[in-house]
Amino acid sequence: EIVVTQSPATLSVSPGERATLSCRASQSVSSNLAWYQQKPGQAPRLLIYGASTRATGIPARFSGSGSGTEFTLTISSLQSEDFAVYYCQQYNNWPLTFGGGTKVEIK
Amino acid sequence: QVQLVESGGGVVQPGRSLRLSCVASGFTFSNYGMNWVRQAPGKGLEWVAVISFDGSNEQYADSVKGRFTISRDNSKNTLYLQMNSLRAEDTAVYYCAKPLRGANSWDYWGQGSLVTVSS
Repeated sequence: EIVVTQSPATLSVSPGERATLSCRASQSVSSNLAWYQQKPGQAPRLLIYGASTRATGIPARFSGSGSGTEFTLTISSLQSEDFAVYYCQQYNNWPLTFGGGTKVEIK
Repeated sequence: QVQLVESGGGVVQPGRSLRLSCVASGFTFSNYGMNWVRQAPGKGLEWVAVISFDGSNEQYADSVKGRFTISRDNSKNTLYLQMNSLRAEDTAVYYCAKPLRGANSWDYWGQGSLVTVSS
């Protein structure tokens, strides 16, 4: 099983600042990595797939990069609606696995 | 628009069974493999199972293999999850999720169905 590790567990950021979230896979997943945003009481929302492709309707302030084992989600200028938990997920190998999440909170 | 609506959750005793359903609309259900993903209270996401577009292939997480069965009825646009021998650690919100074309990442999710396993 591919273990996916996210860091940090919590990120405190002021509105308007840049946020950088990391995701590491225990072995190469090529570019088969997705990022999701989840707010309390809601289902996850797909932000990025293929490591760097924004899903339909996702604002340009969200960007993904990386390949192999190291990936990054960057939110260029945090808006109030961006404070949430973010998960990365690999879909290169079965079983499909998620990281433990990064909570982005208001500083 | 795409909609996924789960039902069938509730409180069940350990060792008992429960079946979840997910009715899909707004897309050609029979063209897509479908998944179940769960989330224990206050915890992260865990992929549970996937079934191919025609129901001929299934895959499961080790944590549910041999106890859960995923199935589908394309004539009813409905996905199922039969859960047997339930354990306390199966307590979670269960989501059905539709994948993107050509990628096992999910662009549409249901609202979730809460399953609580407790005596």
